[in-house]
Amino acid sequence: ETGVTQSPTHLIKTRGQQVTLRCSSQSGHNTVSWYQQALGQGPQFIFQYYREEENGRGNFPPRFSGLQFPNYSSELNVNALELDDSALYLCASSTRLAGVDEQFFGPGTRLTVL
Amino acid sequence: EDQVTQSPEALRLQEGESSSLNCSYTVSGLRGLFWYRQDPGKGPEFLFTLYSAGEEKEKERLKATLTKKESFLHITAPKPEDSATYLCAVLSEGGATNKLIFGTGTLLAVQP
Repeated sequence: ETGVTQSPTHLIKTRGQQVTLRCSSQSGHNTVSWYQQALGQGPQFIFQYYREEENGRGNFPPRFSGLQFPNYSSELNVNALELDDSALYLCASSTRLAGVDEQFFGPGTRLTVL
Repeated sequence: EDQVTQSPEALRLQEGESSSLNCSYTVSGLRGLFWYRQDPGKGPEFLFTLYSAGEEKEKERLKATLTKKESFLHITAPKPEDSATYLCAVLSEGGATNKLIFGTGTLLAVQP
């Protein structure tokens, strides 16, 4: 069974640039959620994708957008980067089976905005 | 508003010194409570899911319990390799989104 993978591991960008982060879900999972984790904080929900559509969004501006592909992998795009966007970005995969609620996280992408 | 509060923020133990971490939650309807372990710079690693008050789960030196207002993660005879941040999260009923709401975590350091 393949776990959740994310790329790249680290990324350095400057303010105003755009970034794309990628996630491959765990084998058998069809739902991908993205979280932002600032230093010393718990992860904050950005949005979730199911069947290639956004299925719920947290308190993040529209410059945070995403995609899900037919193979259930996903991308997170952030436009017009701000210094406060510096964080660990986590992808979590899960399934929609009834009674199965666990989300499994990837290793994360550390984004630094200068 | 759904909320999760963890205490203490940090805990230092001697190897073999048992203790408990607390997770208090306020949620409109609890669908599940989750414990994760996170090592520095890594993604959270799933530990337990608890669904109803009175439920208990165990894994090696860890035991998680759940009441209607809080959950405890008991660590028995910890070892230095148990050092990590332990995160608690809740999933609320209702809505189509499986959105986890996390606490800020407890940073555990176990000294040999």
